[in-house]
Amino acid sequence: DAGVIQSPRHEVTEMGQEVTLRCKPISGHNSLFWYRQTMMRGLELLIYFNNNVPIDDSGMPEDRFSAKMPNASFSTLKIQPSEPRDSAVYFCASNHWDRDSTEAFFGQGTRLTVV
Amino acid sequence: SQKIEQNSEALNIQEGKTATLTCNYTNYSPAYLQWYRQDPGRGPVFLLLIRENEKEKRKERLKVTFDTTLKQSLFHITASQPADSATYLCAFLPYSSASKIIFGSGTRLSIRP
Repeated sequence: DAGVIQSPRHEVTEMGQEVTLRCKPISGHNSLFWYRQTMMRGLELLIYFNNNVPIDDSGMPEDRFSAKMPNASFSTLKIQPSEPRDSAVYFCASNHWDRDSTEAFFGQGTRLTVV
Repeated sequence: SQKIEQNSEALNIQEGKTATLTCNYTNYSPAYLQWYRQDPGRGPVFLLLIRENEKEKRKERLKVTFDTTLKQSLFHITASQPADSATYLCAFLPYSSASKIIFGSGTRLSIRP
């Protein structure tokens, strides 16, 4: 397997524009996570899914952020409208959680810059 | 409020010495605790898992301890090498939702030759 695949790797957009980040988890994994990483706040959990169902979105900063997982092999994180404070690296991770294996596998991340 | 705290200051260690990183938590009941390594420009990579009922776990030069009384985990790298230089993050999987993974902010470790 190629691992968790995120696209794009880099995104530069103007304030007010819509941004869509994409993630393809590892085949067979049943959980998918979206994280945001900044120097100030570290690695924050935004939302996670189990079996394509959103379980906890309490980390989503505000209504401008939304995430979907229409099937087991694809997820999107959308920001509309984007603001400069959304600039960060966004990571997607997946795992097949059970009591003996909780390891999360991360993608390479999307570096988002909002100007 | 719930907190996971790691040393925010970078840790500088002489090659060959043991590096010890600390992870403290408050108002959590973690079922599992993980440690990850992150290199610049890359996503975190899993290193070790320790469960609530385990005191210590080892893997090659790595050792993790988990003290639920002190609410603390220690991560040790023995015989440290410059290639061990990276940011190390601890992560919790709470009892309330065992599949959820919450990270500390990480500690940057530098090993000087």
